[in-house]
Formats: sequence, C-alpha cells, structure tokens
Amino acid sequence: AQRVTQPEKLLSVFKGAPVELKCNYSYSGSPELFWYVQYSRQRLQLLLRHISRESIKGFTADLNKGETSFHLKKPFAQEEDSAMYYCALQAGGTSYGKLTFGQGTILTVHP
Amino acid sequence: EAGVAQSPRYKIIEKRQSVAFWCNPISGHATLYWYQQILGQGPKLLIQFQNNGVVDDSQLPKDRFSAERLKGVDSTLKIQPAKLEDSAVYLCASSPERTRVNNYGYTFGSGTRLTVV
Repeated sequence: AQRVTQPEKLLSVFKGAPVELKCNYSYSGSPELFWYVQYSRQRLQLLLRHISRESIKGFTADLNKGETSFHLKKPFAQEEDSAMYYCALQAGGTSYGKLTFGQGTILTVHP
Repeated sequence: EAGVAQSPRYKIIEKRQSVAFWCNPISGHATLYWYQQILGQGPKLLIQFQNNGVVDDSQLPKDRFSAERLKGVDSTLKIQPAKLEDSAVYLCASSPERTRVNNYGYTFGSGTRLTVV
C-alpha cells in the first residue's frame, strides 16, 4: 500500500525567505507525484506534477527516488503563497487514478 | 469550462439521520471520485467511478455509505445512518480518463461540509 507523509503541519516564513515543504512517500512501484494547493476559501487545485518538471508560481519539486521524497521549494516566498499544501501520490496497476494524499502543511508567509 | 459542481455546500444533521450529496462533474469527464476530508487530515478516497461503473470502493464504509453514478454523469453519495465521526468535507473530483499518467490532475469541486451533532 502507498503512503504519503508530510512531517510539518505548520510552516511559517517571512516574505522573501526560501521555503521548503517536505514530502516523503512509500510505494513499491514507480509513482506519479503531485502537489496540490488550497488557498483560503478556494477549491483544492493542482499546483504541479513531477512528470512535467515545470515551475509554477516560482515553485519547483524534484522527485528523489533514492530518498523517496518530493519536496516543494521556492527561493523567495510571497505573502500570496500562504495556503494549505498537499503532496499526493498516484499509484499504478489497478489503483491508477486514485490519489493518496499526505496530511497537508499550512504555509504562512509573514510580511 | 464549468467546474465540478457540488451541493449542498453545508449540511448539519443529527446522528442516525440520513444525508445525500450531489455532484455534477465536468462535461465529458469519464472518471469521478468522492473523497472524504476529515479536519486536520488529507483527503481520502471513498469511491471511484469510471463512467457508471465502480472501479474502487475499498475504503467506502458500505454498511452506511452508498454511491451511485447514473448514466455516467451526475453522482450522489449517501450516508445512512450518520455517525459523529462522519463529520468532514466531502469532495467530488473528476478527470478526463482513468490513466496512470494523469497529466492534468483532478478538478475538484468546492465540497460539502457535513456536521453531525
């Protein structure tokens, strides 16, 4: 069975500081990893996916299979980045399509 | 395009009562998911439909929860009877197809916040 762990429930940084939200996963196969974000009073939405290797809103995430991690990083945090962030894993086989989410990290960026 | 629609937005019921939630996915999306999000936790899949067939309901408490997707479009999730621990946000999501490499992620609805008292 797959598992996603986000060790920090709360993370606070000041504007302009670097930020890293940690995500570790457990899965025996080859996973697809995602970061989802939920801003205040908005829907849960996709932020980025590891297969695209893209940078969205200045955020990047690299899949490290050796460390089974998919940490989300941004060099200079902005106040509008304050939100709840979820790391999610999509397994293969008969479970594909299903997402397993971590518990989430609340990011607060102070002015 | 229109998003995933859910209703109601909020519902408060007493334990042992019944409740139903409705979801209308994005037009043309074959796959529909119901997730339960308990306060302080990440969303947990309850049931996954492909068109009008159930793909995965392994985490659905079938003694009290039921779901259907008639004609492969709208879906309803029902709880009967409700327990206090069912208090949560119930999220509906849809995606174009049930593919392993989900290039677009899901599109989530706003959710229904259920409080059982």
